[in-house]
Amino acid sequence: EAQVTQNPRYLITVTGKKLTVTCSQNMNHEYMSWYRQDPGLGLRQIYYSMNVEVTDKGDVPEGYKVSRKEKRNFPLILESPSPNQTSLYFCASSSAPQYEQYFGPGTRLTVT
Amino acid sequence: GEDVEQSLFLSVREGDSSVINCTYTDSSSTYLYWYKQEPGAGLQLLTYIFSNMDMKQDQRLTVLLNKKDKHLSLRIADTQTGDSAIYFCAGVSSGGYNKLIFGAGTRLAVHP
Repeated sequence: EAQVTQNPRYLITVTGKKLTVTCSQNMNHEYMSWYRQDPGLGLRQIYYSMNVEVTDKGDVPEGYKVSRKEKRNFPLILESPSPNQTSLYFCASSSAPQYEQYFGPGTRLTVT
Repeated sequence: GEDVEQSLFLSVREGDSSVINCTYTDSSSTYLYWYKQEPGAGLQLLTYIFSNMDMKQDQRLTVLLNKKDKHLSLRIADTQTGDSAIYFCAGVSSGGYNKLIFGAGTRLAVHP
């Protein structure tokens, strides 16, 4: 089954404690991206990757890092989380950025 | 770049038609998309329309595109409680690189 998986689905952590949210897709997509969803703001892109070892900032990259060492995986790293990073995070993949995006189920992060 | 706007909330009675509206700014968008987000889930593509089309019908869904006014709408006929969700419209931004820009989402509530 074609899918994008994310882990964990729910995470509560404290300020400053480094965390990683994993994302994996099985569709051999070259393009992957991370979004955060906040009420009234829709989806805002954090980082994206056009291919292995090619990543770039989206609209709201501050406080986040990513890596793309393999085509299928695109982890999101918060080196020192802060409460304003409390949000719902989605990973997505696609054959190209302007085409249909396939979304993961989301990770709800709470930073206290 | 692209800006996509939509109203945040719509309430309809079961069996009525729902119309969700969206306006966009970037007229170069080749495709325009509608995504559906059910509670606790990621976004899933509902339908899309090519920019050279005025209308697309898919079972209970009708998408209308007014290129002159840069207005996109999604009509759901015979709305059911299972249609309760958040609906996002998305267009392709020509600024920087071609990527999807999402509206803030319209929460559709269907009541008996």
